[in-house]
Amino acid sequence: DVKVTQSSRYLVKRTGEKVFLECVQDMDHENMFWYRQDPGLGLRLIYFSYDVKMKEKGDIPEGYSVSREKKERFSLILESASTNQTSMYLCASTMGGFSGNTIYFGEGSWLTVV
Amino acid sequence: GENVEQHPSTLSVQEGDSAVIKCTYSDSASNYFPWYKQELGKRPQLIIDIRSNVGEKKDQRIAVTLNKTAKHFSLHITETQPEDSAVYFCAASIRPGGGADGLTFGKGTHLIIQP
Repeated sequence: DVKVTQSSRYLVKRTGEKVFLECVQDMDHENMFWYRQDPGLGLRLIYFSYDVKMKEKGDIPEGYSVSREKKERFSLILESASTNQTSMYLCASTMGGFSGNTIYFGEGSWLTVV
Repeated sequence: GENVEQHPSTLSVQEGDSAVIKCTYSDSASNYFPWYKQELGKRPQLIIDIRSNVGEKKDQRIAVTLNKTAKHFSLHITETQPEDSAVYFCAASIRPGGGADGLTFGKGTHLIIQP
């Protein structure tokens, strides 16, 4: 069974704190993604990675960075959290290539910045 | 980049009736169009997808149609049931499965099934 695991489901952080959101997949997928989900705005791509140590900016990368030191793990980092980063964050992964592979999502991490 | 518009934002239908959700996309190179269902507090899950070489695909009560000329695609749910209540997202990508560029999502439709 496919599994994308986000270790923190609910977090409350203070403005200015550094925040790490961790995501692990057990399917040996090449591609991993971080999305942000907000009511009325859908899912917006923050960053993605198609290989270890590789990263690409998505549509809204400002205020975020990522790390992919191992194939199975993709971390989202908020260097200095702000209240407008209060949101639900979804990690996802998919096999590489052009064969029409499904994107699998994690359960989501609810972040509140106060 | 790709832009996906989704309508309506909220849709309320009587149980047993049909529901239709529509999406348009901007990039004519897009060739993969999945639909995701997200129940309250849960992760989005793929329910059906279609590629640009196909005009229609059906899976039991769910169907998706694609009009490449007009750059729009629609989700059709027939004989709706209470468990169909959820938020539905359409998406588009130039790479099947999203590839390394990810998917561009619509803003979602909250489908409410009235008993």
